Amino acid sequence: DSGVTQTPKHLITATGQRVTLRCSPRSGDLSVYWYQQSLDQGLQFLIQYYNGEERAKGNILERFSAQQFPDLHSELNLSSLELGDSALYFCASSVGGMIKETQYFGPGTRLLVL
Amino acid sequence: GQNIDQPTEMTATEGAIVQINCTYQTSGFNGLFWYQQHAGEAPTFLSYNVLDGLEEKGRFSSFLSRSKGYSYLLLKELQMKDSASYLCAVRGEAAGNKLTFGGGTRVLVKP
Repeated sequence: DSGVTQTPKHLITATGQRVTLRCSPRSGDLSVYWYQQSLDQGLQFLIQYYNGEERAKGNILERFSAQQFPDLHSELNLSSLELGDSALYFCASSVGGMIKETQYFGPGTRLLVL
Repeated sequence: GQNIDQPTEMTATEGAIVQINCTYQTSGFNGLFWYQQHAGEAPTFLSYNVLDGLEEKGRFSSFLSRSKGYSYLLLKELQMKDSASYLCAVRGEAAGNKLTFGGGTRVLVKP
């Protein structure tokens, strides 16, 4: 158990809908990262937040957005969902987002878009 | 851009040794990570290399050559529970702390 929690564990929805995925980092960690893992794409970095501020951005679609709240939990919002958005979404956290830090991953949210 | 290559799949026998290679081309280099991931589960941290050489941790060792853009993960005394995917990830530019992952190597341990 990494100490990172994610809810929900599974999510089934329809195309065109909007969903929110939630992540709570390990106690004391200030950085949160979101990754998408689909069968044909591997693990792809989406976005990083550090202490409430966006720190780095990867291949995140405009239909997706994220934020980190004052209590350091983070939410990833996915809108206008398409079939191709079906994937495992992982959240990871680290202490401060510095170069040598290890990222610890949560159990993931499995999203299925029908 | 960043490019990370590792074999798709490897098979080995229980008790044996397997070496998983990873080659990378990145803009900037700030460390290489290996993670283990069982199907449908979260990646779990195995090792971190930022300087050239071998890092040993029990049955797992990881090697890095920055000049060659090359790393390997060595798994010794293989156990059935080692059947999993092994992900090589590189931290490139200094901005942020994002990791770029390879596609993963699925290792199947046979009795």
